[in-house]
Amino acid sequence: EAQVTQNPRYLITVTGKKLTVTCSQNMNHEYMSWYRQDPGLGLRQIYYSMNVEVTDKGDVPEGYKVSRKEKRNFPLILESPSPNQTSLYFCASSLASDYNEQFFGPGTRLTVL
Amino acid sequence: GENVEQHPSTLSVQEGDSAVIKCTYSDSASNYFPWYKQELGKRPQLIIDIRSNVGEKKDQRIAVTLNKTAKHFSLHITETQPEDSAVYFCAASGTDRGSTLGRLYFGRGTQLTVWP
Repeated sequence: EAQVTQNPRYLITVTGKKLTVTCSQNMNHEYMSWYRQDPGLGLRQIYYSMNVEVTDKGDVPEGYKVSRKEKRNFPLILESPSPNQTSLYFCASSLASDYNEQFFGPGTRLTVL
Repeated sequence: GENVEQHPSTLSVQEGDSAVIKCTYSDSASNYFPWYKQELGKRPQLIIDIRSNVGEKKDQRIAVTLNKTAKHFSLHITETQPEDSAVYFCAASGTDRGSTLGRLYFGRGTQLTVWP
């Protein structure tokens, strides 16, 4: 089944404790992206990637890192999480660039205490 | 980069009525405009999209119109049903200043509620 998976789905952590949210797609998509969703603010892009080793900042990259070492994986890294990073995070992928349907993962609900 | 404004932020309609959500964009180079629907607790999913070489596209009860001159596009839902209740996001393609990579810019979303 073609899909985008994220892990974990729910995470409660404390300020400063490094964490990684994994994202994987099995559709051979070139384009992958991370968004955060907060009430009233919609979907804000954190980072995106056009292909392996090609990434760029979105609208809210501060406090986040990403890597794209393999085409199928695009992990989101929070080196030192803070409470303002409490949010719902979505990974998405599409066939190429931004001109195709983006398929979203199920979301990761992160709470930073 | 692109700036996408979406209105209204909330919309309530009676079942059977029509609903219209409007978005404006700033970058005249944008040429792809998708709409996503997000049901409560679920992930966003594409419901319809339009490219700049067409002015209107329909898919059963939903349609999207695009006015490139005025830089706005709209989602139209006819004969609304309670299952249409969701958050709807518009988006436009674009490129950040200083970047060669394309991306999507999303509006802030519209909470549509359809009352039986």
